[in-house]
Amino acid sequence: NAGVTQTPKFQVLKTGQSMTLQCAQDMNHEYMSWYRQDPGMGLRLIHYSVGAGITDQGEVPNGYNVSRSTTEDFPLRLLSAAPSQTSVYFCASSLQGLSNQPQHFGDGTRLSIL
Amino acid sequence: GENVEQHPSTLSVQEGDSAVIKCTYSDSASNYFPWYKQELGKRPQLIIDIRSNVGEKKDQRIAVTLNKTAKHFSLHITETQPEDSAVYFCAASTHGGSQGNLIFGKGTKLSVKP
Repeated sequence: NAGVTQTPKFQVLKTGQSMTLQCAQDMNHEYMSWYRQDPGMGLRLIHYSVGAGITDQGEVPNGYNVSRSTTEDFPLRLLSAAPSQTSVYFCASSLQGLSNQPQHFGDGTRLSIL
Repeated sequence: GENVEQHPSTLSVQEGDSAVIKCTYSDSASNYFPWYKQELGKRPQLIIDIRSNVGEKKDQRIAVTLNKTAKHFSLHITETQPEDSAVYFCAASTHGGSQGNLIFGKGTKLSVKP
């Protein structure tokens, strides 16, 4: 049981490049989400999904796209990377909604945009 | 939307002393309040959580208290040890039900001096 797996662990991009951050979970969790973590800012929600085929925006969705074609996978896409998107990105999942279930985080992707 | 304030941003204690971190939230409909510990370069990990129908919860040296009337909750760590040094995040669900989202505080860096 691997839990939540994120790839890659590190990535450097040039401004304007596109990229997909991968997230997969093997716990049959319905709820998945993406956060970004910047120094002094805590964790901010980018996008989330309550199940396959359903996605919605979080606090800071601009510049990011997501899709949820399967229960297991929830990729995050940067269509045209900007230096402001330099951050550590965490994917998380929980069994159902967040009102009564803890979230399990992946190890993170450290992304630098030059 | 929900807003979570966390204080203090840094906290330094001597080994064996107690540490208290406080959070306030704005949405009276929030009903789930987890605490996460994040060691340097690692993923956030759930250490304790509390739901709105409970006023206090303990797990060994860690306890969380919730005051729904005042809309604040606190993390208490007793008999602190150097391995307790980390960044601690509080969070609150934005609204009740199965599709609530977590909003995080900005974190408290706890340093436990031997």
